[in-house]
Amino acid sequence: KAGVTQTPRYLIKTRGQQVTLSCSPISGHRSVSWYQQTPGQGLQFLFEYFSETQRNKGNFPGRFSGRQFSNSRSEMNVSTLELGDSALYLCASSQRGDTTEAFFGQGTRLTVV
Amino acid sequence: DAKTTQPPSMDCAEGRAANLPCNHSTISGNEYVYWYRQIHSQGPQYIIHGLKNNETNEMASLIITEDRKSSTLILPHATLRDTAVYYCIVRPNSGGSNYKLTFGKGTLLTVNP
Repeated sequence: KAGVTQTPRYLIKTRGQQVTLSCSPISGHRSVSWYQQTPGQGLQFLFEYFSETQRNKGNFPGRFSGRQFSNSRSEMNVSTLELGDSALYLCASSQRGDTTEAFFGQGTRLTVV
Repeated sequence: DAKTTQPPSMDCAEGRAANLPCNHSTISGNEYVYWYRQIHSQGPQYIIHGLKNNETNEMASLIITEDRKSSTLILPHATLRDTAVYYCIVRPNSGGSNYKLTFGKGTLLTVNP
């Protein structure tokens, strides 16, 4: 079956702009989690959605938001981009979100200039 | 989630077994040990998880000590493609409202020809 698909793979934005990233989970998976990876901070949890509801949120400012659609696809949005938002953004899907393994996508590489 | 300690780096010869240790001395009774790896520029990949019994799958074996305070991931015949950062994560596997993986620094395993 198809894996987790993230689009776009690469993105360059200017400071102050906003950006929307997309994640299509594995068919049948209802949980989608988002992570940010930077060289300095490593992999950090952003938030998790299950059946269109945000169930958990990491320690990120309100500029980072997300949503999940009825087909389980998820988007995350970052407003008023800062240079420090440059990172690899990864999403992971799982069936129930708490008892099964997570499968990660390839990520979206965001560069803020 | 309980904290884990892993060596920052390890080397292994191709074709030999790679044994990656992880200390999790504060693990509680309902927490599982998960292992993931991240090959350069890719999303993390689930390897294996376990509670207290040793586990084996097509990728690796997981040996958990009887007191559950440490574990070892074993790649029986390491290949160059196994070069990656390996993350040991300890977390509950219970039903509930949150799903979150807390990644530490991991161990960079370099498999040498």
